[in-house]
This record gives sequence, C-alpha cells and structure tokens, in this order.
Amino acid sequence: AQTVTQSQPEMSVQEAETVTLSCTYDTSESDYYLFWYKQPPSRQMILVIRQEAYKQQNATENRFSVNFQKAAKSFSLKISDSQLGDAAMYFCAYRETSGSRLTFGEGTQLTVNP
Amino acid sequence: GAVVSQHPSRVICKSGTSVKIECRSLDFQATTMFWYRQFPKQSLMLMATSNEGSKATYEQGVEKDKFLINHASLTLSTLTVTSAHPEDSSFYICSTGTHNEQFFGPGTRLTVL
Repeated sequence: AQTVTQSQPEMSVQEAETVTLSCTYDTSESDYYLFWYKQPPSRQMILVIRQEAYKQQNATENRFSVNFQKAAKSFSLKISDSQLGDAAMYFCAYRETSGSRLTFGEGTQLTVNP
Repeated sequence: GAVVSQHPSRVICKSGTSVKIECRSLDFQATTMFWYRQFPKQSLMLMATSNEGSKATYEQGVEKDKFLINHASLTLSTLTVTSAHPEDSSFYICSTGTHNEQFFGPGTRLTVL
C-alpha cells in the first residue's frame, strides 16, 4: 500500500523568507501523481501544486515550487517570499495514475511570522 | 475548477439521532465521490468511495451500517451518520474530480452532544 510521510508537524518562517516542507512516499508504481494541498483555517482544501511522476521537470506555480526526487521518493515544497496568507496546514498527497483516490500525509502546520 | 458544495456546513445533534450530509457537484458530473473524515490537527482519512448508481466501497474499519452513503445521481452524494455518538464528532469532507485534480467541498462540522 502507498504511504505518504510528512516528518515536520510544524514549521515557521519569517515573512518574505523561504521555507521548504518535506514529504516522502512509498510506492511500487512507476507512474503516479503527487500533490501539495493547503488547508487554511477555513478548512477548505486548496490545490497548491501538482507533479506527474513521468515528468522530470519540477513543477512551479508562482512562489511555489517542488523538488521531486523520484529515485529517493521525495517531494518537497518550497515557498518563496512567504506571505502571511501562506499560513495554513499543508498536506502532501499521492495518487496512482489509474485511480482517483488520494493518500494524504499527516500534514505540516506552517506559521508565517510578520 | 469544479465547484463542490456541502450542506449543512455545521450541525449539532443529540446522541442517538441520525444526521444527513449532502455533497453536491455543481458543474461536474461526479461518477465517483470520496468521503473523508478529519479530526482536529490531523490529516484527512478516507472513509468511503461512492459510485453513482452502485454501492459504496468502505475503507477498512469504517462501519457501513453506521455511515450510510447514497449516490443516486451525478450531482449528489449523501452521507448519513446513523445513531450518532459523541465520538462521531468530526469534520467531514467530500471530494470529486478527475485523475489529476480533485475538487473538495468546504466540509461539514458535526458535533454530537
């Protein structure tokens, strides 16, 4: 069974600084999707960024980028120029190509200090 | 992306009563919907997968007779918590989507007194 591990329950960053959230996963599949979701205090899940495993290029969305290391099964999220609105719980998630169910990590609570 | 709504957003009920939570896909044909449960400061745990027109598939440890799921149309799936108890108090979230993107409802906070 696939598992997703986020080893940082909490992280903090100063406004305008850069922070990296870690995620590792375990799978025997060669093709799959990886996601980072943000859950602010409203509890609404928001997609931050998506990576297809067959793509070697790391995904980037404005201030958010990933470091995808397929061999190491690592998928970290880098947030540049952190803003107060980035404060939230961040979940790493995995999905097989053939299915649509997501497997979530435990989450990392990010605090942004002014 | 698709819009998914949930109703109610909050519900408080007495122990022993049943509560129905609706999940609507407003602009997406949801052949499959997922129901999650989230305790405070924890991750989303998949409870069941509902498929339009057929029986839901429940995850291990989830009582299908307690958490009744109905997915009668492409726009509506319902989760009924039967004979609710305080330990059922939680945040329930539904989602639907494609293989590369899921759309989440805003969630329902259930409090059982």
